[in-house]
Amino acid sequence: EIVMTQSPATLSVSPGERATLSCRASQSVSSNLAWYQQKPGQAPRLLIYGASTRATGIPARFSGSGSGTEFTLTISSLQSEDFAVYYCQQFHNWPPWTFGQGTKVEIK
Amino acid sequence: QVQLVESGGGVVQPGGSLRLSCAASGFTYSSYGMQWVRQAPGKGLEWVAFIRYDGSNNKYYADSVKGRFTISRDTSKNTLYLQMNSLRAEDTAVYYCAKDRGYMDVWGKGTTVTVSS
Repeated sequence: EIVMTQSPATLSVSPGERATLSCRASQSVSSNLAWYQQKPGQAPRLLIYGASTRATGIPARFSGSGSGTEFTLTISSLQSEDFAVYYCQQFHNWPPWTFGQGTKVEIK
Repeated sequence: QVQLVESGGGVVQPGGSLRLSCAASGFTYSSYGMQWVRQAPGKGLEWVAFIRYDGSNNKYYADSVKGRFTISRDTSKNTLYLQMNSLRAEDTAVYYCAKDRGYMDVWGKGTTVTVSS
């Protein structure tokens, strides 16, 4: 099973600042990596797939990078609606499909 | 528009059973694999089960539910199911169905399952 580890657990950022979230895989997942955003009481929403491709309707301030075992989600200028929990997920070796434990982006 | 709507959640005693449903619309349901993912209170996302587009014997389960849960689909009704038997307290969670592309590109709003005596 591929273990996904996200860091930090919590990221405190001021509106307008850049946020950088990390995701590490226990073995290579190539570019088979997705990022999701989840707000309280809501379902997860796909942001990024294939490590760097934005899903339909996702603003350009969200960008993904990386391959192999190290990945980054960057939010270039945080808006109020971006404060949420973010999860990475690998779909390279399955089953199981595995998620990271999440990074909470909170207002500083 | 593309939509997934879960139903069937509720409160059940330990050892009991429940069947969840997920109604799909706005896309060619028979062309896509489907997933169930759950989230325990205050916790992260946990993959539960997957079924291929054709509902073949290629179904996969998390170790935590294997032998207790069964995923199935009815193409004529555009509906996905999760039959949950021998429920435990640790199965308490919001259960989401999701459309599979390897990643999960469309999610339902979820249905809550509470296992408690």
